[in-house]
Amino acid sequence: DTGVSQNPRHKITKRGQNVTFRCDPISEHNRLYWYRQTLGQGPEFLTYFQNEAQLEKSRLLSDRFSAERPKGSFSTLEIQRTEQGDSAMYLCASRSLGNTGELFFGEGSRLTVL
Amino acid sequence: EDQVTQSPEALRLQEGESSSLNCSYTVSGLRGLFWYRQDPGKGPEFLFTLYSAGEEKEKERLKATLTKKESFLHITAPKPEDSATYLCAADTGNQFYFGTGTSLTVIP
Repeated sequence: DTGVSQNPRHKITKRGQNVTFRCDPISEHNRLYWYRQTLGQGPEFLTYFQNEAQLEKSRLLSDRFSAERPKGSFSTLEIQRTEQGDSAMYLCASRSLGNTGELFFGEGSRLTVL
Repeated sequence: EDQVTQSPEALRLQEGESSSLNCSYTVSGLRGLFWYRQDPGKGPEFLFTLYSAGEEKEKERLKATLTKKESFLHITAPKPEDSATYLCAADTGNQFYFGTGTSLTVIP
């Protein structure tokens, strides 16, 4: 098992474009989380899935953001009509079946909106 | 409101100079308190989990402790390779609430 994988690692886009990030969690983990992190800040919760069900979504999450986990395996996070304020590191993490123990993080996808 | 606060924001130590990082938490229904290390441009890397007040965990030069309101990460005789941002997070079962981290620099 190679851990949590995220793609792309870096994305530069122009304001107004749509971007999509992919996360492949550790295979037996049923919970998958998305976080956003800006420089000098801790990870900020965006949303999480248990299997294919999206169970919680941050109230701060704009409706330009949407996440899916169609078959309970990989997940995608799409940002529509990107804004400069969306520039951040987007982190994916997964957690084991028992929902105890640590979150395992991927290396993140860094988004720069010009 | 569930909240995690870390202090100091930044810490510079001479190699071998021991110190402690603080993590204060206010959450309803704490399931566990986690410490992570994060290197620049990388995802957080798990260090410790603490589940109950009085619990301690150790790994090399690091020791984490937990009370009912806060956790400490003690660094004994740090080395330059310990330089990183240290994050703590409170698990409520549904979410992990992260602090803003302490950026540690160890000077040779």
